[in-house]
Amino acid sequence: DVKVTQSSRYLVKRTGEKVFLECVQDMDHENMFWYRQDPGLGLRLIYFSYDVKMKEKGDIPEGYSVSREKKERFSLILESASTNQTSMYLCASSGPSELFFGEGSRLTVL
Amino acid sequence: DQQVKQNSPSLSVQEGRISILNCDYTNSMFDYFLWYKKYPAEGPTFLISISSIKDKNEDGRFTVFLNKSAKHLSLHIVPSQPGDSAVYFCAASAGGGSNYKLTFGKGTLLTVNP
Repeated sequence: DVKVTQSSRYLVKRTGEKVFLECVQDMDHENMFWYRQDPGLGLRLIYFSYDVKMKEKGDIPEGYSVSREKKERFSLILESASTNQTSMYLCASSGPSELFFGEGSRLTVL
Repeated sequence: DQQVKQNSPSLSVQEGRISILNCDYTNSMFDYFLWYKKYPAEGPTFLISISSIKDKNEDGRFTVFLNKSAKHLSLHIVPSQPGDSAVYFCAASAGGGSNYKLTFGKGTLLTVNP
């Protein structure tokens, strides 16, 4: 079974803190993605990566950065967390016919 | 501009009846469509997909219909079961059947009542 593992299921951070969300996949997929899910807004793409050290902005990249130093690992970084970044963050990796998602990281910024 | 639209935020049906979830798209370059199901506090899971060369794809209780001229697809669940209660996301991609960089709709919350 494909496994996409997100390091933290629940996080609470304060405004201005630096936040790291880690994601690891075990299927040697080249493409990895970070989405955020908010009620009434669906899933919105933040960043994606199609190879090690390669990244592209998605639809809502402002306030975020990413890192892909190894093929299996894709990290989302909030340089200075703000309350409007309170959300469910979903990592995914891409197989030949579908995206496989992790279980999500619920981030609350106070 | 929203390229994938799920105009019904919620849908409620009785157990055993048919559930029909709808999705419209505006980008004529989309050629591959998927449905995902999401339970609270879990990641979305893949349900069924359809390529633009087909107009129907079936997998057990789930059938997806694609009407390219209307830029409309629908997911039929027959018979509906209480365990089907979840948020359903429609997604689309352009690029020869690849799921690379999907565009998602806002989701429809399906409630199946026993």
